[in-house]
Amino acid sequence: SQQGEEDPQALSIQEGENATMNCSYKTSINNLQWYRQNSGRGLVHLILIRSNEREKHSGRLRVTLDTSKKSSSLLITASRAADTASYFCAHGSGNTGKLIFGQGTTLQVKP
Amino acid sequence: EPEVTQTPSHQVTQMGQEVILRCVPISNHLYFYWYRQILGQKVEFLVSFYNNEISEKSEIFDDQFSVERPDGSNFTLKIRSTKLEDSAMYFCASTWGRQANTEAFFGQGTRLTVV
Repeated sequence: SQQGEEDPQALSIQEGENATMNCSYKTSINNLQWYRQNSGRGLVHLILIRSNEREKHSGRLRVTLDTSKKSSSLLITASRAADTASYFCAHGSGNTGKLIFGQGTTLQVKP
Repeated sequence: EPEVTQTPSHQVTQMGQEVILRCVPISNHLYFYWYRQILGQKVEFLVSFYNNEISEKSEIFDDQFSVERPDGSNFTLKIRSTKLEDSAMYFCASTWGRQANTEAFFGQGTRLTVV
């Protein structure tokens, strides 16, 4: 299977704390992308990291990629209640542009 | 900001009926995709479409499914004879390319309920 795994499956933190989510995958990748999904809603693209990159920042988000370990992490710093959502990693592989999604991490940020 | 739009947002249909889910990808994008997400589960790839033909499809995308780009803007997913297990959120996505630096833009999804 090409599916990735994410951990933790669920994470509950207080506002202001940092949240770290991890993602592992099994195949070679072109890129790895992180998405957010509010309950029952669409997927919002957060950040893309290429296979030759090791770290990328966007606002309060930091993504790392370790291709030797086939893993990535998403760090959200100074979390806010509005960050409450499910977070998915997805990796692109092959030459058709399809994405393989992980199981997701459900993040709850308590005010 | 350009966005992918999907209609309807929610569709309820009787088992055995045909449904067509509609998507308008971002205008300068060339690659189009359908994904589905059964409630509480992960997002699963269904099909990719480029240059008016399917470039890849998953095991889920059987003969009951078809895709079409009937004009220059719409991209549709048809399910010929719906089953209860087709109930899911269906997402359309588009990209301008398929290479490493291409992010996929997703629509808000169509929630399909088969009763």
